[in-house]
Amino acid sequence: DTEVTQTPKHLVMGMTNKKSLKCEQHMGHRAMYWYKQKAKKPPELMFVYSYEKLSINESVPSRFSPECPNSSLLNLHLHALQPEDSALYLCASSQDGVGGGETQYFGPGTRLLVL
Amino acid sequence: EDQVTQSPEALRLQEGESSSLNCSYTVSGLRGLFWYRQDPGKGPEFLFTLYSAGEEKEKERLKATLTKKESFLHITAPKPEDSATYLCAVNGGGGNKLTFGTGTQLKVEL
Repeated sequence: DTEVTQTPKHLVMGMTNKKSLKCEQHMGHRAMYWYKQKAKKPPELMFVYSYEKLSINESVPSRFSPECPNSSLLNLHLHALQPEDSALYLCASSQDGVGGGETQYFGPGTRLLVL
Repeated sequence: EDQVTQSPEALRLQEGESSSLNCSYTVSGLRGLFWYRQDPGKGPEFLFTLYSAGEEKEKERLKATLTKKESFLHITAPKPEDSATYLCAVNGGGGNKLTFGTGTQLKVEL
């Protein structure tokens, strides 16, 4: 099974709201990723967790706050977002994120609209 | 810095009309080249991973090949359900960071 699940599928929030995106995988993977994808653009890496520790932060604004409670779960906490943050947010997982060359499996994404 | 260029940007085929998508890349040391299919509003679906020049992989109507500078995704006798955006990505250097191309939007018509 190569399934990564994400909730919610759609989210509409105001600029003063606080919300969270959730991601779960049961493949035994130890690396999990957050990507942001704008329309007709490729995914852009935001964060990487390897063995529940943040290993890459691609200079993402602090209004995005990742959390990895355990090896199967990944959250992205959102606060004081801007309309330009509206995008498809993708979660992915891979074996352990250490050696390179690992296949990343993506979830279906959360479509976020910031008003 | 790793770079990936995909061509063409868009491709329209008739059902049954075979063609190829190109992915040219520049990396300091290739650890893996990945092909994904993405339908509108959905997450990328994994297709193939290639690791070394000369490697080939097949799945149904799709075949991916790899040289030292580029990869091709060959589509044989496509069907309308093959319509999607096809993304190519490379992992080079340290860690597991992917560099994506901008994709080829394929439309297969009856």
